[in-house]
Amino acid sequence: GDSVTQMEGPVTLSEEAFLTINCTYTATGYPSLFWYVQYPGEGLQLLLKATKADDKGSNKGFEATYRKETTSFHLEKGSVQVSDSAVYFCALSPNGGYNKLIFGAGTRLAVHP
Amino acid sequence: DADVTQTPRNRITKTGKRIMLECSQTKGHDRMYWYRQDPGLGLRLIYYSFDVKDINKGEISDGYSVSRQAQAKFSLSLESAIPNQTALYFCATSETGTGDIQYFGAGTRLSVL
Repeated sequence: GDSVTQMEGPVTLSEEAFLTINCTYTATGYPSLFWYVQYPGEGLQLLLKATKADDKGSNKGFEATYRKETTSFHLEKGSVQVSDSAVYFCALSPNGGYNKLIFGAGTRLAVHP
Repeated sequence: DADVTQTPRNRITKTGKRIMLECSQTKGHDRMYWYRQDPGLGLRLIYYSFDVKDINKGEISDGYSVSRQAQAKFSLSLESAIPNQTALYFCATSETGTGDIQYFGAGTRLSVL
């Protein structure tokens, strides 16, 4: 079945460091891909999305490119801030999946001053 | 006020007790979802509803039931709670035709002793 695999955390970085969180997926057809972020004590919120191969989603300095050839959707940010500390979830919506989301396990990011 | 509100935010109960978690939304969305979050497992779908008369099981529906009382209200029940149902529960909403984006409540932390 469809699935999402994320790199295990926690990821610990100093402020202004470069961030990469790896995400790969298994799916039939042409899924949509998402990154959601969960700040402490809050629900998940959409960070960015991409709906077809080679699309780049971007928001708040984060970006991810839908790579069908490598079935990947890695999240990157050039310079992280303390306020980026959160749990990041990669997710997919299967082709024709009627809004159903399949989530990865989540990656915790801790950014220190 | 939050667009997706979950009550209670925290609940401790005993094995065998019946418990209901409630979700209400002011976003006017037609679709609602219940997920549970466990460490290292991400979010898993319990039930989802595409309108008041449409209820569907997710991947882990055993031991749970739901009721869609109105378009804006979707409740999750544990008929006889057991300790492995201890988790963080999230309600989410989405709107048909908006590209699979879901909006999450702040979550209910449930402990079953």
